[in-house]
Amino acid sequence: QSVLTQPPSASGTPGQRVTISCSGSSSNIGSNYVYWYQQLPGTAPKLLIYSNNQRPSGVPDRFSGSKSGTSASLAISGLRSEDEADYYCAAWDDSLSGQVFGGGTKLTVL
Amino acid sequence: QVQLVQSGSELKKPGASVKVSCKASGYTFTSYAMNWVRQAPGQGLEWMGWINTNTGNPTYAQGFTGRFVFSLDTSVSTAYLQISSLKAEDTAVYYCARSPVGATGWFDPWGQGTLVTVSS
Repeated sequence: QSVLTQPPSASGTPGQRVTISCSGSSSNIGSNYVYWYQQLPGTAPKLLIYSNNQRPSGVPDRFSGSKSGTSASLAISGLRSEDEADYYCAAWDDSLSGQVFGGGTKLTVL
Repeated sequence: QVQLVQSGSELKKPGASVKVSCKASGYTFTSYAMNWVRQAPGQGLEWMGWINTNTGNPTYAQGFTGRFVFSLDTSVSTAYLQISSLKAEDTAVYYCARSPVGATGWFDPWGQGTLVTVSS
């Protein structure tokens, strides 16, 4: 059971906007930055969003992150078939003194 | 470019040991921390801990003490993960991942992953 809670699946059609939620607590999301990673099938995770809402260079602006209280969200607009992947949220947890991940959300592009 | 290249897949018998390497290039190795993350088959990501590349001091997450050892060879910009007394449940892909400030920051980049299979 993961410390951060994500829906196991999400889906959308090409061009649509999809959001993935990530719920935590005061010891992780509530007091630290949230990160998002994209894991394409058979590959290593890749940093998608850092510090709640910052995109590394090379990440399209179709991807955006937000945080409010003890929850965070990843939004993907203009959905494309190549966005089909697993998405993970993560944050530092002060109580556990470690990085914690969500269980992952499998995004299907219909 | 910044990259982490890990050693190849391993097939081990229960009770054996394995050592996974992670060679860094494209940046100053000792300026960033190195983390290890486990992904069991069909499962999510699990942070195992990190090693301070300046001091060599490792920190292990809960559940990864005793049989797991992080080490470094800074002369070749390489981090290592050693697992002893292997069990079937250690079967997983192990990733190394760089972070900017200890282990509290983001992980970027990640190594390509090393599959460790434990089977008799």
